[in-house]
This record gives sequence, structure tokens and C-alpha cells, in this order.
Amino acid sequence: DTGVSQNPRHKITKRGQNVTFRCDPISEHNRLYWYRQTLGQGPEFLTYFQNEAQLEKSRLLSDRFSAERPKGSFSTLEIQRTEQGDSAMYLCASSLKGTSGGRTDTQYFGPGTRLTVL
Amino acid sequence: AQSVSQHNHHVILSEAASLELGCNYSYGGTVNLFWYVQYPGQHLQLLLKYFSGDPLVKGIKGFEAEFIKSKFSFNLRKPSVQWSDTAEYFCAVHGSARQLTFGSGTQLTVLP
Repeated sequence: DTGVSQNPRHKITKRGQNVTFRCDPISEHNRLYWYRQTLGQGPEFLTYFQNEAQLEKSRLLSDRFSAERPKGSFSTLEIQRTEQGDSAMYLCASSLKGTSGGRTDTQYFGPGTRLTVL
Repeated sequence: AQSVSQHNHHVILSEAASLELGCNYSYGGTVNLFWYVQYPGQHLQLLLKYFSGDPLVKGIKGFEAEFIKSKFSFNLRKPSVQWSDTAEYFCAVHGSARQLTFGSGTQLTVLP
């Protein structure tokens, strides 16, 4: 399978603990996105990388959240001091910047990491 | 800011019925529009997309969508649904921001 992969698929943690999720994008894709999805809602944007540069962050991304994409390959999303409100599905997507330089790239999603904070 | 509204939260149909799911977006500039589908236990998959050109877009599994710029709409249609179409459907817009803005989704249940 050459799609976007995410690990772990499920994570249960106690409030106050730190958690880290990993995303491996489709190999030739240079753009990587993190989204959060709660029950009954569509995915909400968290942050975006082009290669190793983090170009955009949502206001949803509090200072407890940090994301990295070293060397422009896989990415990690860390949540420090987790809260019950952080319980959600965390989705990763990747895309390939079009040669036209426009915004016409299609995002492909991974299976997500479901976080439960007790 | 861009936003997406999906007014139908849950749609129940019998097999062979026709389907139309509504999607309206709010953004005044050039948009790219998408429909994603999430089958039970699976990840989001691209159903179809509109970037430019013919406003009637055909996707996988017999789905199509029509972009009506004057109505800010991108409704999803299928002439005859199957039980296997049971899934959650998300409309998304790609406007000024790099990220996608999603609607809240429509759960489609097709009764055999």
C-alpha cells in the first residue's frame, strides 16, 4: 500500500500526559497537512507543511500542540499535557504541489489516529 | 473566510433511489471543490473534484456533482444508489487558504 500511513491507529492516555503521532505521506508528496475530526463534524485544519517548512497554523493549534516534519518526509504531531477536549481523530493528508504553482493539488488522507484522553 | 454548509445531516434511501446531497460554500473568489466519502471503518477517500472547466464533474462509482457558481453550490448526485453507498459524505472547499474547509458531513444510509 503506497497511501498515507499513520501510527498509532489508536491511543488512550490519561489527562496530563504527552502523546506523539506519526504520519508518513505518499512518497513523492511535498505537502503535508494535519486535521482534527470530532464526532459529527468534518475535519478541521490544524497545520500545513511544504517540504520541511511549517507554513500555516490554525488557531486551533494551541501552544500545547507542536508539529514537525524533519527532512520533509514523515511528520509528527505532539500534544503536551493532554486534556479531555483533545479526544478526537487526528488525520494526516498529503499532496503534490502542482507544477503550475497554483492551488490545484488534491489531498489524500490517511486512516487517522484516534486519541482518547481519560 | 471560507465555509461550507451541508444541510442534510442524515439521509435514508432505499436501493435504486436517486440521491442528491446539498453543499453550499461561502467564498467570493476562485474555488476548488471536492467531495470526499468515508465508508464505515475506512479513511476519507476522494470521490470527485472540480478545479475548472465543465461544471458537471463525474467521479468514481457513478457519482457526479454540478458546480453552480451563481448559487455557490456543489451538489452531489447519483441516479441510483446501492447498499454499498452507505457512508458519510463530506463536501470541501479550497479557496484562499491552502487547507481544505470541510462541511459537517452527511450520513447516507441505503436500505437494501
